[in-house]
Amino acid sequence: DTGVSQNPRHKITKRGQNVTFRCDPISEHNRLYWYRQTLGQGPEFLTYFQNEAQLEKSRLLSDRFSAERPKGSFSTLEIQRTEQGDSAMYLCASSPPGLGTEAFFGQGTRLTVV
Amino acid sequence: AQTVTQSQPEMSVQEAETVTLSCTYDTSESDYYLFWYKQPPSRQMILVIRQEAYKQQNATENRFSVNFQKAAKSFSLKISDSQLGDAAMYFCAYRSHRLGGAQKLVFGQGTRLTINP
Repeated sequence: DTGVSQNPRHKITKRGQNVTFRCDPISEHNRLYWYRQTLGQGPEFLTYFQNEAQLEKSRLLSDRFSAERPKGSFSTLEIQRTEQGDSAMYLCASSPPGLGTEAFFGQGTRLTVV
Repeated sequence: AQTVTQSQPEMSVQEAETVTLSCTYDTSESDYYLFWYKQPPSRQMILVIRQEAYKQQNATENRFSVNFQKAAKSFSLKISDSQLGDAAMYFCAYRSHRLGGAQKLVFGQGTRLTINP
C-alpha cells in the first residue's frame, strides 16, 4: 500500500460543469476526510466518513457538493454546477481507528474553474 | 469552535541554523492533540510531530521539537540544524480528543519556510 491516492491530480473545467474526484484511502483506515485548501491558506474541513457513513459535514459544503463512500472503501466528491470560487486544492486524508491517530494525506486534486 | 493562528506567513533560516515557528490556538476543551504538518511544494502533507495535551513533556522527533505551553495555548515548532529538504509550508493543527467526534483537524494559515544555503 503506497498511501492515499487521489485522482485526477489536476482538473480544469468550465463554469457550470460537474466534476467528480476520487480518493482511495489506505487499507484498513476506517476514517476518511475531505478538506479544501485555497492558495496560501490552511486546509478547511469539508466532510468526514467513518466506514460508509457520512457523519459530519461542514457548512462549507453547499448543496452543490456531495460525497459518498460506498462500501467503506474509496470515496468520491462531486461538485455540481461549478463556480469560479470552487477553484482550490481538494485534499483527502484517511486515518485508522483510535483517538488521536495520524491522518495520512493524498497529494490532492487541484481544480481550476474557468 | 476551535481556532488555530500562525502569525508568521514566511520565515527563512540559514542552512544548519535553528528556526522556531509559532502557533497559538483557542479552545475550551482540556484534552486535545496538536500537530505540525509539513507540505512540500506539489507534494502531500506529512506529519512532522504531535503532542497530546495531557502530556507535560514536550514532544521531540530527531531535529524537530515543540514548546507546548498549555496555559498560554501556544505550540511552537523548533527545527534544529536546518536542511534544504526542510523547505516547505508548515501547518499547525488541532484535533479534539472528544469521544464520538469527527477527529477532524483544524489548521492554521501556514508558515512558508525557506532554507538559505
